[in-house]
Amino acid sequence: AQSVSQHNHHVILSEAASLELGCNYSYGGTVNLFWYVQYPGQHLQLLLKYFSGDPLVKGIKGFEAEFIKSKFSFNLRKPSVQWSDTAEYFCAVNGANQGGKLIFGQGTELSVKP
Amino acid sequence: GAVVSQHPSRVICKSGTSVKIECRSLDFQATTMFWYRQFPKKSLMLMATSNEGSKATYEQGVEKDKFLINHASLTLSTLTVTSAHPEDSSFYICSASKGGGTLEAFFGQGTRLTVV
Repeated sequence: AQSVSQHNHHVILSEAASLELGCNYSYGGTVNLFWYVQYPGQHLQLLLKYFSGDPLVKGIKGFEAEFIKSKFSFNLRKPSVQWSDTAEYFCAVNGANQGGKLIFGQGTELSVKP
Repeated sequence: GAVVSQHPSRVICKSGTSVKIECRSLDFQATTMFWYRQFPKKSLMLMATSNEGSKATYEQGVEKDKFLINHASLTLSTLTVTSAHPEDSSFYICSASKGGGTLEAFFGQGTRLTVV
């Protein structure tokens, strides 16, 4: 069965600190990988996605993620966080031919202190 | 862009009543829509996949008679929580896919259901 695991439930950082959120998945086939962000009171927004090609993917707002196939990982990074990055972050995966059906990780709450 | 709108954003209902939540794709045709449920401090759990003009496919453990899904047109899917109970209180989120091999889905803003 497909599953997604996010290692950190709650991360607290000061502004300008670097961020890395872990994501590992379990799936026996070709996968597409996503990171979504949910700001307080708002809907899910796509940060970045990986379908194929360069395993280092750049997204919006300075975020990037690296797909490491051998480790079944898709960690999210940002060199310098801002207070406005405070939000819930979700890693998600879907398999080939599954269209928009997503399996989500548990989510990581990021709190950035000004 | 690809905008998905859910209505209502919040609803409070009495135990035993039914509540309908709408999910609309505003600027594209959504051949497939997905319904998720999000518990507090938890992840999104896929409830069902609905395809326009056909019956929804429910995930294991989701009661199809309780959570009725209708995808009557390419821009509208509805989720009806029947005979709601307090344990059905949750955040319900829909997403819509353009289909045709498109892998990305676009999310609505969610509906907070409170059953009292």
